[in-house]
Amino acid sequence: AQSVTQPDIHITVSEGASLELRCNYSYGATPYLFWYVQSPGQGLQLLLKYFSGDTLVQGIKGFEAEFKRSQSSFNLRKPSVHWSDAAEYFCAVAGITNFGNEKLTFGTGTRLTIIP
Amino acid sequence: NAGVMQNPRHLVRRRGQEARLRCSPMKGHSHVYWYRQLPEEGLKFMVYLQKENIIDESGMPKERFSAEFPKEGPSILRIQQVVRGDSAAYFCASSPSQASYEQYFGPGTRLTVT
Repeated sequence: AQSVTQPDIHITVSEGASLELRCNYSYGATPYLFWYVQSPGQGLQLLLKYFSGDTLVQGIKGFEAEFKRSQSSFNLRKPSVHWSDAAEYFCAVAGITNFGNEKLTFGTGTRLTIIP
Repeated sequence: NAGVMQNPRHLVRRRGQEARLRCSPMKGHSHVYWYRQLPEEGLKFMVYLQKENIIDESGMPKERFSAEFPKEGPSILRIQQVVRGDSAAYFCASSPSQASYEQYFGPGTRLTVT
């Protein structure tokens, strides 16, 4: 069964500092991986996704993520955070079910706080 | 092109009442997914529907929960005889096709059971 682990429940970063959010996945085949952001009281917005090819993927809002198969990781990074980046971040893996549909499995999320 | 719409955004129900959550997918999308987010947890898949068909309900609780996506109108997630443990945020996502790996999420309905 597929699973996602986000080991950091809460991270605090100073504005302008770099950021790395960790994500480890478990999946039998080549994974399809996603990072979503959820602002308070809002739905989920897709930041970036990895299907195949270049292991370093660029997303919106200056985020990037690197797929490392040997470590089963898909960590999210940003070189310089802004106060508006404060939100909850979810890593997800997609698999195909026996019914032929994809199903997203989410991690428990990492809450990012930005301090001045 | 409007995004995924969900209503109501907030719903308060007393124990034992029924809750109906509605989801209108993006224009042109005929595939709908429902997810539940319990407090301090990630989203958990509940059910996947196409127009007039439930395809995968492997994440749905066996009792009190049902979903539909009629030919006309929004998808409905129905919870009968709600209990406090049903308090959660319920998100709907739509996609243009099966296994497209493109799910667009709505803003969610936050259900509070008192």
